[in-house]
Amino acid sequence: KAGVTQTPRYLIKTRGQQVTLSCSPISGHRSVSWYQQTPGQGLQFLFEYFSETQRNKGNFPGRFSGRQFSNSRSEMNVSTLELGDSALYLCASSLGDPTNEQFFGPGTRLTVL
Amino acid sequence: LAKTTQPISMDSYEGQEVNITCSHNNIATNDYITWYQQFPSQGPRFIIQGYKTKVTNEVASLFIPADRKSSTLSLPRVSLSDTAVYYCLVGDMGGTSYGKLTFGQGTILTVHP
Repeated sequence: KAGVTQTPRYLIKTRGQQVTLSCSPISGHRSVSWYQQTPGQGLQFLFEYFSETQRNKGNFPGRFSGRQFSNSRSEMNVSTLELGDSALYLCASSLGDPTNEQFFGPGTRLTVL
Repeated sequence: LAKTTQPISMDSYEGQEVNITCSHNNIATNDYITWYQQFPSQGPRFIIQGYKTKVTNEVASLFIPADRKSSTLSLPRVSLSDTAVYYCLVGDMGGTSYGKLTFGQGTILTVHP
């Protein structure tokens, strides 16, 4: 079956702009998690959505937000971009039960100039 | 949340068995141990998960001693394509940890010809 897809794969924005990233989970998966990966901080959890509800949230400022639609597709939005937001943004999907394996997408590479 | 400690890097040669040990001294009763693999510019990929004793699948084995304060990922007969970063994760995967994987620094494994 098809894996997790993320669009766009690459994005270049300037400071102050906002950006929306999209993630389509594996069919049947109801949980979508988002992560930010940078060379300095590594992989950090942003938030998780399950059945259109945010169940968990990491330690990121309010500029980072997300949502999930009824078909489990998820979007992540970053407003007022800063240079430090340049990163690889990864989403992962799972069935949503405890201990479930997470399946990661290829990521969106965001560059903020 | 249990902190994990693993070697920053390891080197091996094709055909050898590689063992990567992870220390997690304050692992909680409900915590599982999970290993992920990540190639450059790709999302992490689940390798194996266990709670205690030994778990084996088609790609790796996971050894967990009785006190569960450490675990060892064993990769049999590695090839060049096993060059990647390997992450050891410890968490209960449920409750307040819904959808949240906590990644440490990982171990950079380099396989030489």
